[in-house]
Amino acid sequence: SAVISQKPSRDICQRGTSLTIQCQVDSQVTMMFWYRQQPGQSLTLIATANQGSEATYESGFVIDKFPISRPNLTFSTLTVSNMSPEDSSIYLCSVIRQGGDEKLFFGSGTQLSVL
Amino acid sequence: GIQVEQSPPDLILQEGANSTLRCNFSDSVNNLQWFHQNPWGQLINLFYIPSGTKQNGRLSATTVATERYSLLYISSSQTTDSGVYFCAVERRNSGYALNFGKGTSLLVTP
Repeated sequence: SAVISQKPSRDICQRGTSLTIQCQVDSQVTMMFWYRQQPGQSLTLIATANQGSEATYESGFVIDKFPISRPNLTFSTLTVSNMSPEDSSIYLCSVIRQGGDEKLFFGSGTQLSVL
Repeated sequence: GIQVEQSPPDLILQEGANSTLRCNFSDSVNNLQWFHQNPWGQLINLFYIPSGTKQNGRLSATTVATERYSLLYISSSQTTDSGVYFCAVERRNSGYALNFGKGTSLLVTP
């Protein structure tokens, strides 16, 4: 499996502010994704992070609210902008490794609470 | 989009018991995976199983793609098996993006 480091692991933020979450992988990966898990819920895909180009967002998620960068094959960031209490969730980075099957691996997540 | 339904939603077992979790999906898929989310929130990939049967220790999974369902078997359950089990399938032409079911919450008691 891939080693996926996510920072920060948790944060408490004030409404109206922004938080950038970092995801670092120990090897080059084919695909990187960002998911959200609201309290007690399943996982919802926010976007596919594309290396060197704009991310591909799912319905209901927009770039202005969740800007994503992926400057290389091992690193990505997700920013949660202009936060409100409804953004309180766990945000998860996930990857598919190069050269392997299509198994999806997850980082340990960022628990975000917005006051 | 493709619908993923898991059953049962909740399950309580005594240690040592066996269980079967089910995942139904609404369209043909190229990619189906099972995950375990432990009580601390970490998601572990259990199986990549678009078709056929696989086994890993006390866990095994079977996907019957033509009938659009997958089963996860847990034998001789242990308290460490507690958590939420998710089934996820790839949407057609989605570039490997997975749709997750709502999960089965499993509690194994001593």
